[in-house]
Amino acid sequence: QKEVEQNSGPLSVPEGAIASLNCTYSDRGSQSFFWYRQYSGKSPELIMFIYSNGDKEDGRFTAQLNKASQYVSLLIRDSQPSDSATYLCAVNTGRRALTFGSGTRLQVQP
Amino acid sequence: EAGVAQSPRYKIIEKRQSVAFWCNPISGHATLYWYQQILGQGPKLLIQFQNNGVVDDSQLPKDRFSAERLKGVDSTLKIQPAKLEDSAVYLCASRAGQSTDTQYFGPGTRLTVL
Repeated sequence: QKEVEQNSGPLSVPEGAIASLNCTYSDRGSQSFFWYRQYSGKSPELIMFIYSNGDKEDGRFTAQLNKASQYVSLLIRDSQPSDSATYLCAVNTGRRALTFGSGTRLQVQP
Repeated sequence: EAGVAQSPRYKIIEKRQSVAFWCNPISGHATLYWYQQILGQGPKLLIQFQNNGVVDDSQLPKDRFSAERLKGVDSTLKIQPAKLEDSAVYLCASRAGQSTDTQYFGPGTRLTVL
């Protein structure tokens, strides 16, 4: 079992719709969770982090964490073509190094 | 605030050659990471420094990879000799301190081994 699992996609949504990206992790001791966006040929860019169970909102983005289910998600409201990218879920596995999933490719259709 | 700097941005070498990458973290960031990202995968940690000491190098292929951060600021990652499977993007990231888990990435160095 991979430590951090994501569906590779592509996830295709129409412009203006809500995109839902999901991630599961195996280490129950994980304490912090991150979503990075990576455009093709570019380096990862931090979108959000979440530490506590529940929802955290920042603009069009909402991160959701359920530690009991070992599940993290990212919702993108009013999706725009510029949101088309690969979204990487990352988990702090101790010593504050991150373990990344393989990413979900999101395509927002105009 | 300047971001994480890396050079070169691109490098093409033949197998069995040597190569070195340089990283300058965000000013004041004590923790520095090197990640390897193979096409289609997420970044994988190679080594983590706290100031000039190694915190974690468990996933660094030590028979060919080496890294140093002599003065606790800049860092160099070296591969000697390179193999075809080392073709990847090498990402450097830094973190401010113990009060935050947030890492900021540099632009990366894309290595192609022929």
